[in-house]
Amino acid sequence: EPEVTQTPSHQVTQMGQEVILRCVPISNHLYFYWYRQILGQKVEFLVSFYNNEISEKSEIFDDQFSVERPDGSNFTLKIRSTKLEDSAMYFCASSEYTGRAFFGQGTRLTVV
Amino acid sequence: DAKTTQPTSMDCAEGRAANLPCNHSTISGNEYVYWYRQIHSQGPQYIIHGLKNNETNEMASLIITEDRKSSTLILPHATLRDTAVYYCIVRGYSGGGADGLTFGKGTHLIIQP
Repeated sequence: EPEVTQTPSHQVTQMGQEVILRCVPISNHLYFYWYRQILGQKVEFLVSFYNNEISEKSEIFDDQFSVERPDGSNFTLKIRSTKLEDSAMYFCASSEYTGRAFFGQGTRLTVV
Repeated sequence: DAKTTQPTSMDCAEGRAANLPCNHSTISGNEYVYWYRQIHSQGPQYIIHGLKNNETNEMASLIITEDRKSSTLILPHATLRDTAVYYCIVRGYSGGGADGLTFGKGTHLIIQP
């Protein structure tokens, strides 16, 4: 079965540093998403991306976040200046159409 | 906030059917009911979705009441690997949009050996 791949599985960074989380969505999917889950809390929607532009974003997705699809296969989430509260599991997802999304295994980001 | 209400936790014996309820009394006519699950800290996994008819796939069955205000996810023969948090999510199919999913706290289903 095709799957969404995320790298790295775990990233540790110092506060104030920039990080880029990478995802390879399923190849024929058109919609791409980032979610995050702070330890012990709910999965939270960050942003969706369609046709090379942001389709929807949550209040969490402020100016320190950006997304990009630099080529035909990768989808990235950049956090410009990390804060301690950005420590979380970040999940990438993709779908052929809205709703039935396939999630990756996540990147655990630890900001120290 | 999520538009659904689910019990916080449930137990089920291995091999028995697990029936997970969900209330979505404010669901509107064009909104679907989706079920996802999250095993430990893995990425959420799609299970099934439906609009008004009952649905079945290789993982589960979804029973939606006639007034669509509640639904039940049925895992017919639960195994230990079905222990997970199960999320019931209501969302519209916007066609041209890419709306995110709103996850609630879900039901922690524990399958007992």
